Amino acid sequence: EAQVTQNPRYLITVTGKKLTVTCSQNMNHEYMSWYRQDPGLGLRQIYYSMNVEVTDKGDVPEGYKVSRKEKRNFPLILESPSPNQTSLYFCASSASVGRGNTEAFFGQGTRLTVV
Amino acid sequence: AQSVTQPDIHITVSEGASLELRCNYSYGATPYLFWYVQSPGQGLQLLLKYFSGDTLVQGIKGFEAEFKRSQSSFNLRKPSVHWSDAAEYFCAVGPYNTDKLIFGTGTRLQVFP
Repeated sequence: EAQVTQNPRYLITVTGKKLTVTCSQNMNHEYMSWYRQDPGLGLRQIYYSMNVEVTDKGDVPEGYKVSRKEKRNFPLILESPSPNQTSLYFCASSASVGRGNTEAFFGQGTRLTVV
Repeated sequence: AQSVTQPDIHITVSEGASLELRCNYSYGATPYLFWYVQSPGQGLQLLLKYFSGDTLVQGIKGFEAEFKRSQSSFNLRKPSVHWSDAAEYFCAVGPYNTDKLIFGTGTRLQVFP
């Protein structure tokens, strides 16, 4: 089954404690991205990757890091989480054609709370 | 700048009633347009998409949407809503030269029996 898998689904952590949210897709997609969803703001792109070792900032990258060492995996790293990073996070992947007309597949989301 | 506006934050309808969710976009050319649905505790699922051609597109779960260039709109419709349609709906635009999606703020649909 084609899917994007995120882990964990729920996470509560304390300010400053490094964490990683994993994302894996089994569709051999080139393009992967991370979004955060906040009430009244919709989904905003954090980082994206067009292929292995190619990553770039999205609209709200501050406080986040990513890596793309393998095509299927795209982890999101918060090196020093802060309460304003409390949010619902989604990983997405799509077959990249660079024209905006491909369907994105989303993971089930990770609800992060930073206290 | 490219943007998507969903004017209705929250809509309540009775089961069996018709539904229209509004979406307006701002983009310099004909964009690629999408509607996604997010059920409680779930990720986003694609309902339908418009790339070109017929301006009325059919999607899954009985949904359809109509692209109106003159109004910069891509409204989502369903003739008869089911209780299982209660969810949050997002309109999105895919700019021509990127794989990024730009989302609206979403419309939460509540369905009463």
